[in-house]
Amino acid sequence: SQTIHQWPATLVQPVGSPLSLECTVEGTSNPNLYWYRQAAGRGLQLLFYSVGIGQISSEVPQNLSASRPQDRQFILSSKKLLLSDSGFYLCAWNSGQGANYGYTFGSGTRLTVV
Amino acid sequence: AQSVSQHNHHVILSEAASLELGCNYSYGGTVNLFWYVQYPGQHLQLLLKYFSGDPLVKGIKGFEAEFIKSKFSFNLRKPSVQWSDTAEYFCAVNAGYYGGSQGNLIFGKGTKLSVKP
Repeated sequence: SQTIHQWPATLVQPVGSPLSLECTVEGTSNPNLYWYRQAAGRGLQLLFYSVGIGQISSEVPQNLSASRPQDRQFILSSKKLLLSDSGFYLCAWNSGQGANYGYTFGSGTRLTVV
Repeated sequence: AQSVSQHNHHVILSEAASLELGCNYSYGGTVNLFWYVQYPGQHLQLLLKYFSGDPLVKGIKGFEAEFIKSKFSFNLRKPSVQWSDTAEYFCAVNAGYYGGSQGNLIFGKGTKLSVKP
């Protein structure tokens, strides 16, 4: 069966420090991968999506970047965190055949920038 | 561009009360509609989804939602809530295409449901 792993679960980082959040998917190949952020009172916002290795699309301009070094690995990064980067980050995947097959979400990372 | 509106930020109900959470979307084409639920400390889970066919969709745990195309709405309902339904509920929509940006889910801001025992 397919599973998605996301870590760490919680993270407290100082302003200006780097960030690396990792997401891996098991049990499927060539998934579409997504990074969402849930900021307080603002709902879930799509940050990045990837339809293949090395293919990254950004939905909103921001202080973050994403990479997909392997088929089932999706990494969210920042060189220097801002206070506004605090939030709950969710990784998700769906079948490369289309969104109709539904999305599966990771357990999320709660990032607090202090 | 697609957008999703959830009318209630926080709903507080007593057990056995009926629930209806509103969701409206803006997109003129074919859409797929979803309701997700996030229980405290847990993953975001799919509650139910609508792709086509019967506009009344039944999901897990006694939830249902009705797609009304003329109103661009997909409201979530449950006849009698339980304390265990306390969670945050998200409505989401994507265009009825395959993959890529067209397949991305657009979420509403979510509705927190608190059920008093």
